[in-house]
Amino acid sequence: EPEVTQTPSHQVTQMGQEVILRCVPISNHLYFYWYRQILGQKVEFLVSFYNNEISEKSEIFDDQFSVERPDGSNFTLKIRSTKLEDSAMYFCASTDNYEQYFGPGTRLTVT
Amino acid sequence: AQTVTQSQPEMSVQEAETVTLSCTYDTSESDYYLFWYKQPPSRQMILVIRQEAYKQQNATENRFSVNFQKAAKSFSLKISDSQLGDAAMYFCAYRIPQGGSEKLVFGKGTKLTVNP
Repeated sequence: EPEVTQTPSHQVTQMGQEVILRCVPISNHLYFYWYRQILGQKVEFLVSFYNNEISEKSEIFDDQFSVERPDGSNFTLKIRSTKLEDSAMYFCASTDNYEQYFGPGTRLTVT
Repeated sequence: AQTVTQSQPEMSVQEAETVTLSCTYDTSESDYYLFWYKQPPSRQMILVIRQEAYKQQNATENRFSVNFQKAAKSFSLKISDSQLGDAAMYFCAYRIPQGGSEKLVFGKGTKLTVNP
């Protein structure tokens, strides 16, 4: 069964550093998402992406964040200068318009 | 703004018993979808069940069923014959089909403990 994959599973970085989280959505899906879950809290929408552009972004998704689909298979989330409060689980998802399929997540720890 | 409320931060159930998790939502839309996701300790998000708002019939998936009350904006999840593997965080979520974004809006979750 096709699945969404994410790498790395865990990333530790120092405050102020740039990180890139990678996702490979399911191949025939056209809509892609990033969500964030701070430990112990609910899952929050960050951004949606369709036809090579952002279709919606939340207030959390400020200028420090960017997304890209560089090669037709990968879907990346870049955080330009990480802050302590960026420590969270980051989930990628893609949809076939019926349901959203989530990847296993990347745990980002900012020290 | 759409909101999803799960009023039970924690619930517990005895193995083989039935438990109901509550969820209410706020929307002015008439066409939308509702979901329950399970998040075990691995933190993977797993879809449990889905309900389309235009369908009057409550969705069921094996031991999982929902009680969808559209007028009351209520969407509860019933787990029958609870198993130890059902222990997890359960998130209720809402989505408007709007052609392009269709983001999910989640509640804060209910932690379910299953006692042997």
